[in-house]
Amino acid sequence: KAGVTQTPRYLIKTRGQQVTLSCSPISGHRSVSWYQQTPGQGLQFLFEYFSETQRNKGNFPGRFSGRQFSNSRSEMNVSTLELGDSALYLCASSLLGQGAANTGELFFGEGSRLTVL
Amino acid sequence: QQQVKQSPQSLIVQKGGIPIINCAYENTAFDYFPWYQQFPGKGPALLIAIRPDVSEKKEGRFTISFNKSAKQFSLHIMDSQPGDSATYFCAASSKTSGSRLTFGEGTQLTVNP
Repeated sequence: KAGVTQTPRYLIKTRGQQVTLSCSPISGHRSVSWYQQTPGQGLQFLFEYFSETQRNKGNFPGRFSGRQFSNSRSEMNVSTLELGDSALYLCASSLLGQGAANTGELFFGEGSRLTVL
Repeated sequence: QQQVKQSPQSLIVQKGGIPIINCAYENTAFDYFPWYQQFPGKGPALLIAIRPDVSEKKEGRFTISFNKSAKQFSLHIMDSQPGDSATYFCAASSKTSGSRLTFGEGTQLTVNP
């Protein structure tokens, strides 16, 4: 079974630009969540989508947004990039909300490393 | 109240040693406590997890000890190996938080041969 796939793996943007990151969850997983990882703040929850609906949201400004498609694939967008947005953005999928199959485990992708210059 | 405090920040042990990583939380609604392992260039991967109805859980060389009254839990790695060198994160979540995990700050473990 293929794991969580994130694209692109690396990207460089300049301040003020916007970026879209993509995540393909493990087949059969309907929950997709996004995390930001930085050396200073660690791993912080951005948002979670389940069946195309945002189910949970972290404490990030409105410049951070996401969506989920009917095939469970998800995208996140960051607009008006700031230097502080430089981070590893991790996507995780799980069976949360899918009854007895759920063990609570999140399966993370390898991340998209964003550098903002 | 949502924080999870993790210590130490870094840890160096010799092969065969037993590194111990500690975490403390305040939110009594937390009911799921996983540990994730992350290698450079990779995403975190679940190592072991515990729920508060048990005080200890063991999987292979990894053991979680859980103290509900103290709101603390710890990871012990028995007979540590150089391949265990990685960053370890404790985390916590509640029934209502979905896949929202609150992570500790991380511990960078180095196991010397």
